[in-house]
Amino acid sequence: DVKVTQSSRYLVKRTGEKVFLECVQDMDHENMFWYRQDPGLGLRLIYFSYDVKMKEKGDIPEGYSVSREKKERFSLILESASTNQTSMYLCASSLFPSLSSGRAPSYYEQYFGPGTRLTVT
Amino acid sequence: KNQVEQSPQSLIILEGKNCTLQCNYTVSPFSNLRWYKQDTGRGPVSLTIMTFSENTKSNGRYTATLDADTKQSSLHITASQLSDSASYICVVFSGGSYIPTFGRGTSLIVHP
Repeated sequence: DVKVTQSSRYLVKRTGEKVFLECVQDMDHENMFWYRQDPGLGLRLIYFSYDVKMKEKGDIPEGYSVSREKKERFSLILESASTNQTSMYLCASSLFPSLSSGRAPSYYEQYFGPGTRLTVT
Repeated sequence: KNQVEQSPQSLIILEGKNCTLQCNYTVSPFSNLRWYKQDTGRGPVSLTIMTFSENTKSNGRYTATLDADTKQSSLHITASQLSDSASYICVVFSGGSYIPTFGRGTSLIVHP
């Protein structure tokens, strides 16, 4: 059974703290993603990674960094947390299709973790 | 700019009734469209996927339709249950990319 886990369901941090959010998938997926979800705004992509040590900026990378040292683990780092980073953070993973599959990369489903609700005070 | 618009923003129905959620998109080139269900406090879970050549796809009481000409999709829920209360998110992928465009979701509440 497909599984994406996130290190915390709820987290409360103070302004200026360094925050680590961890995501682990057990499906041997190449692609991993970090999103934030805010009421009325939907999901917005922060960063994604298509391979170990590879990362690409999404739509809203400012104030965040990421680390992918192992294929199964993708970490989101808030270097100095601010109140406007209070949000629900969702991690997702997906396959990168082989050339022989004949399927477009986007065909493969993104599997989401349960989310981490972060509050910065 | 790729965009996905969903309507209505929220919907309240009685248990046992049917409902239809709408999704309009301006993603190009189009590859596929997914409907996700997100229960409160949980991550989204895929309900259906539709490619360019598919018009209708069902998953139990959920039926998705796609009109690629008008760039519209709908999600029809039959005989609603209390467990259908959730946010339903329309997600569209453009060709060759694994980065989707998300709609803002429709919040559905089913009352007994």
